[in-house]
Parts: sequence; C-alpha cells; structure tokens
Amino acid sequence: GAVVSQHPSRVICKSGTSVKIECRSLDFQATTMFWYRQFPKQSLMLMATSNEGSKATYEQGVEKDKFLINHASLTLSTLTVTSAHPEDSSFYICSAGLAGAGETQYFGPGTRLLVL
Amino acid sequence: TQLLEQSPQFLSIQEGENLTVYCNSSSVFSSLQWYRQEPGEGPVLLVTVVTGGEVKKLKRLTFQFGDARKDSSLHITAAQPGDTGLYLCAGPYNTGKLIFGQGTTLQVKP
Repeated sequence: GAVVSQHPSRVICKSGTSVKIECRSLDFQATTMFWYRQFPKQSLMLMATSNEGSKATYEQGVEKDKFLINHASLTLSTLTVTSAHPEDSSFYICSAGLAGAGETQYFGPGTRLLVL
Repeated sequence: TQLLEQSPQFLSIQEGENLTVYCNSSSVFSSLQWYRQEPGEGPVLLVTVVTGGEVKKLKRLTFQFGDARKDSSLHITAAQPGDTGLYLCAGPYNTGKLIFGQGTTLQVKP
C-alpha cells in the first residue's frame, strides 16, 4: 500500500526559532500533498495544498509567510514553521494524493510540535 | 462552504454495547470517507462509500451512505476497548481536497 512518512515525529523548540517538517511518499509519486493542523481533541484542519514545482495554495486564514511549504519533488514536501510561537504548538499531519486514485489521500503519522 | 457535522462528539460506553455515529451535511458529496485516529498518530482510512444508499461492512463496523449522498453513519456492534479512538468522516471538495467532520471521540470501557 501507499506509505507516507513524516520527520521528525516530535519536536520541541524555543519561541522564535524555525522548524522544518518533512513529508515523504515512500513507494509512490504524489501529485499533490496536503498539510493539516490538528489541535487536541479537535479535527483536522487543512492548511495548504502543494503541487510539485509550483507554489502552495493556502486556505483562508493561514499565513503563507509563517508556514512555508516547499514541494521540491514528487516524493517530498516540507513545511517550515517560521518564528514559531507557543500558539503554533500543534499536531501537523501531511497527506499525499496518488495520480489515478481519485480523491484518496494517504496520511502520514503526524509531527507533534511543542514551542516553549 | 461545505460542512460536515458529526454527532455525538464524545461517547463513553461499556464493552459489548452498540453505538452509532452520524455525519451530516446540507451538501451532496460524491463520496464520504471514514477514518479512525489514535492519539499521536495519523488517521487511518476505514472505508469509502460512493453510491447513495450503499452499505459496507468491516467486521463489527457497518457504514451507510444516505440515499441523497448528504449523510453517512457508522454503526459499531459489540464495541471493544480496541475500538477506542477518534472517528472522523471526510468528504472531497474542490478537486482533491478533503473536509473533515469535527470527529467523534469514542471510549470503550472494559
């Protein structure tokens, strides 16, 4: 089956620093990757959609300069949380769409970010 | 804006009981998906329902898609502690995106 990995699985950083999260599709090429944020006991909220080689499309209310997304290849997308603050602490989940698989998304295991 | 309303949001039951989770919308969806998520992990796809009125079974889980494709339900028979988790419904919109319901946190006590 299609496997998506994320790295790191958890990260603790100081306020004001930047954190990069990687999302990789391990055994398939992902035409589109999605980044979600999930707060405790809440659902997943879509942050942005990224396509390889083009700029990401951000959902309303998500700051593109705060959450930098780079989709350098068909198997790798990165999310960089710049100048992180405690309110950015959350569970970040990526998913990848497979060409020809319709609306199916394959989810990564998530990255827990804690900003002190 | 398409919305998915899930109910109940929290459910705590004893092992062996039955339960139903609902996912409702005023919009028509081409399909609906159900996921289960455990703490600290990503959501795992349980099933996708595509045809109005469709019923799918996965062991003790029964999924139904409404005739009008605006709602879906998840019924668990004889719940077990291993069923504990967050259950999410999701529907596609805007070319490949998924919108998620608020989720139902299920706790099954032994």
